[in-house]
Amino acid sequence: ETGVTQSPTHLIKTRGQQVTLRCSSQSGHNTVSWYQQALGQGPQFIFQYYREEENGRGNFPPRFSGLQFPNYSSELNVNALELDDSALYLCASSFGQDLYEQYFGPGTRLTVT
Amino acid sequence: GDSVTQMEGPVTLSEEACLTINCTYTATGYPSLFWYVQYPGEGLQLLLKATKADDKGSNKGFEATYRKETTSFHLEKGSVQVSDSAVYFCALSPTGANSKLTFGKGITLSVRP
Repeated sequence: ETGVTQSPTHLIKTRGQQVTLRCSSQSGHNTVSWYQQALGQGPQFIFQYYREEENGRGNFPPRFSGLQFPNYSSELNVNALELDDSALYLCASSFGQDLYEQYFGPGTRLTVT
Repeated sequence: GDSVTQMEGPVTLSEEACLTINCTYTATGYPSLFWYVQYPGEGLQLLLKATKADDKGSNKGFEATYRKETTSFHLEKGSVQVSDSAVYFCALSPTGANSKLTFGKGITLSVRP
């Protein structure tokens, strides 16, 4: 059984550019949540996808968007990158909508210059 | 909105010392409470959880009791090991179907031999 994987591990972008981050959920999981973890802070909830539909969103602007595919993998897209978007982006998968355990991936470190 | 407050860190202890990391929360209803751990170079892992008042979560020698009267979920361990060195996050999820996690800022624990 494979765990949650994320790609890429690191990337550097320039302000104003767009970025796509990818997440493969753990086998059997149909729910994916995305979090942003700024340096020295706890993760902040961006949004969640359940069976390909957005199922809750945190306090993030619309330029943060996502997708979930039929195999339950997911993408996080960020448009018009700002310097403050530099952070570790975490993906977590779980089964169902009610949380008992989310399994986190290792994250993608995004640096915006 | 929901929030989690953790004691300020970092914390440095000698091996076999007692550990207490304070966590208090603000939430409506009856949230579930969690401690997550992030070891160096690894993703977030669920350490323990409690889903209702007076529940005690425990794992790997760590314990935390859900205290609704004091809105607290302090993490304790009687004898820490060098391998416990990590960042610890307290988190909550609200009642209902949305499994958004709200995290505290985290605290770094370093255990010296």
